[in-house]
Amino acid sequence: NAGVTQTPKFQVLKTGQSMTLQCAQDMNHNSMYWYRQDPGMGLRLIYYSASEGTTDKGEVPNGYNVSRLNKREFSLRLESAAPSQTSVYFCASSEARGREQYFGPGTRLTVT
Amino acid sequence: LAKTTQPISMDSYEGQEVNITCSHNNIATNDYITWYQQFPSQGPRFIIQGYKTKVTNEVASLFIPADRKSSTLSLPRVSLSDTAVYYCLVGDMAGGFKTIFGAGTRLFVKA
Repeated sequence: NAGVTQTPKFQVLKTGQSMTLQCAQDMNHNSMYWYRQDPGMGLRLIYYSASEGTTDKGEVPNGYNVSRLNKREFSLRLESAAPSQTSVYFCASSEARGREQYFGPGTRLTVT
Repeated sequence: LAKTTQPISMDSYEGQEVNITCSHNNIATNDYITWYQQFPSQGPRFIIQGYKTKVTNEVASLFIPADRKSSTLSLPRVSLSDTAVYYCLVGDMAGGFKTIFGAGTRLFVKA
């Protein structure tokens, strides 16, 4: 039981490049989340998916898109990366919206 | 969404009990209070969740007064490995729950 896995662990992009961050969970959870955490700051919610087939904006959705591919997988896409998107990105899942969340190890993204 | 206020940092010594208080003056009737712990370079980890009075598990206790405008996370006999950031969250379990993590409380445990 791996819990929540994220790929890649590290990524460096140039401004304007695109990429997709992958997240998968094997706990049969209904809800999944994407957060970003800037140095010395708390986590900010980018998007969440309350259940398979639904997605909704969080606190800081601009510059990102998401896809809930199936119950297990929830991806985050940066269409045109900007230096302001340099951050650590965490994916999380929960049995249902509002229940305790389980976090992945994070992806460290640097945009130059 | 209920906003939370926590101390920015706290210091303690090994073996002491640590109490971290969180203020949430505009908590709604359906809101629950949840605490997470985060170590450097890791994702947050769930510690405890409660609605009112007192909740206790194997790692912590959560005290919630009758007016629910604040809550206190109690860590008994801390060790060096409890040095971490602790986040207090308030939200509705039933629906419309958008997680808001504040800046958290940085706890430093000294030998």
